[in-house]
Amino acid sequence: QVQLVESGGGLVKPGGSLRLSCAASGFTFSDYYMSWIRQTPGKGLEWVSYISPSSSPTKYADSVKGRFTISRDNAKNSLYLQMNSLRAEDTAVYYCARRGYNFDYWGQGTLVTVSS
Amino acid sequence: QSALTQPRSVSGSPGQSVTISCTGTSSDVGGYNYVSWYQQRPGKAPKLVIYDVSKRPSGVPDRFSGSKSGNTASLTISGLQAEDEADYYCCSYAVTYTSFGGGTKLTVL
Repeated sequence: QVQLVESGGGLVKPGGSLRLSCAASGFTFSDYYMSWIRQTPGKGLEWVSYISPSSSPTKYADSVKGRFTISRDNAKNSLYLQMNSLRAEDTAVYYCARRGYNFDYWGQGTLVTVSS
Repeated sequence: QSALTQPRSVSGSPGQSVTISCTGTSSDVGGYNYVSWYQQRPGKAPKLVIYDVSKRPSGVPDRFSGSKSGNTASLTISGLQAEDEADYYCCSYAVTYTSFGGGTKLTVL
């Protein structure tokens, strides 16, 4: 069965960096677009980024463009999100999801808290 | 990259039908047949219930249906059941971004 497991969340100070990982299993990872989506506590969902099976193209929300970088390692069935210059408003649960839209499988999420 | 517009809450009694609207623009909802809907129960990850405007993934009851007219998409849940109580989010593809709605809380009375 399809499984997506995120890791790497935690508490970081404003201006700091964090790298999230998503381990995929149960499907041919290299065949699929993959995405990161976040949800602020008690609020709605916000699409963050997607990456194609070959790692190009990638696409980002305006709110994270220039600060976040999505990448993948098909040999390791893993998806990554490098987050730099973090701000308080980046505080959220970050989900990885299969596909670039019509997200059919989601991980359980990892919490990122940006606070001094 | 504006969020799609959904009502904050809807409610209905068991057995009734409810419809949740999702309004975007001609650049997203109106421009592509790539609208999806997600059900999210408290403390859980979202679950896909409708994709490509009106298609249901395997395992989703046929009580869930989707449609679109112009820049507005709709999710209809018929024969409401207590287990349908959850937050529902719409989502639309666009060329340079993907947008979610703000979410609608469905209460089963």
